Amino acid sequence: DGGITQSPKYLFRKEGQNVTLSCEQNLNHDAMYWYRQDPGQGLRLIYYSQIVNDFQKGDIAEGYSVSREKKESFPLTVTSAQKNPTAFYLCASSTGTPRSSYNSPLHFGNGTRLTVT
Amino acid sequence: AQSVAQPEDQVNVAEGNPLTVKCTYSVSGNPYLFWYVQYPNRGLQFLLKYITGDNLVKGSYGFEAEFNKSQTSFHLKKPSALVSDSALYFCAVSSHGSGNTGKLIFGQGTTLQVKP
Repeated sequence: DGGITQSPKYLFRKEGQNVTLSCEQNLNHDAMYWYRQDPGQGLRLIYYSQIVNDFQKGDIAEGYSVSREKKESFPLTVTSAQKNPTAFYLCASSTGTPRSSYNSPLHFGNGTRLTVT
Repeated sequence: AQSVAQPEDQVNVAEGNPLTVKCTYSVSGNPYLFWYVQYPNRGLQFLLKYITGDNLVKGSYGFEAEFNKSQTSFHLKKPSALVSDSALYFCAVSSHGSGNTGKLIFGQGTTLQVKP
C-alpha cells in the first residue's frame, strides 16, 4: 500500500539537543510538507518542498531545518533554537504544489509526538 | 489575507441524529475548500473538497458539505451520525487569486462527539 511513514511515533529529548524526524513516502508525490499541530491552533506550515533539492519556509520556520535529497524523503530537524518544540508534527505530500494546492488533497502520515524537557 | 474559522470547539450529537460542523472562510479570490478528519494520535484524512460546480459536495463516509458563497460558509453535514464519527474535524481553504498565497490554511478544528 502506498502511503507516508513517519518515525518514530514518540520522541523524547532534553532541551538543547537537536532532533531529526523522519518522513518517507512511496506515493511518487512531488510536493512534501511539514506541519506542526498544537491544541486549539490547527495546523501551521513549517517547511515545504516542491521538488528534490529545493524547499521553502512556511509560516513558522524559525528553529527548524529540512533537506530534500530524495523524492521519497523529507526529514525535519528541530534545532535547539526552537523555543517551544514540544508538539505533534505531521508530514504530508501531494501531487500539487503550494501554488496549486487548491486542487490536490494532502496525504498525511500518522505523526510524531515530540516532547522536550 | 486568507483565513478560515470554525466557530465551535466541540459539537455534541446523539447517534442517529443529523450533524453539522460549521466553517466560514475569507479569501480575496475564488475559494477552494476542504474538510479533513483526524482520529486520536493519527494524521489527517481527506474527506471532501469543493473546487467548482455543484454547491453540494459529497465525500467519504457519508459526509457532505454545502458551499454557500453569499455566507462564505462550507459547513460539513451528515444525515445520521455514528459513534465512530467522533473525531477532530478540520476545515481548510486555499485560493490562487490575486493577493492569496495559494497555500492551504487550516481552521482550528472542531471536536465531534457522537453519543450512543
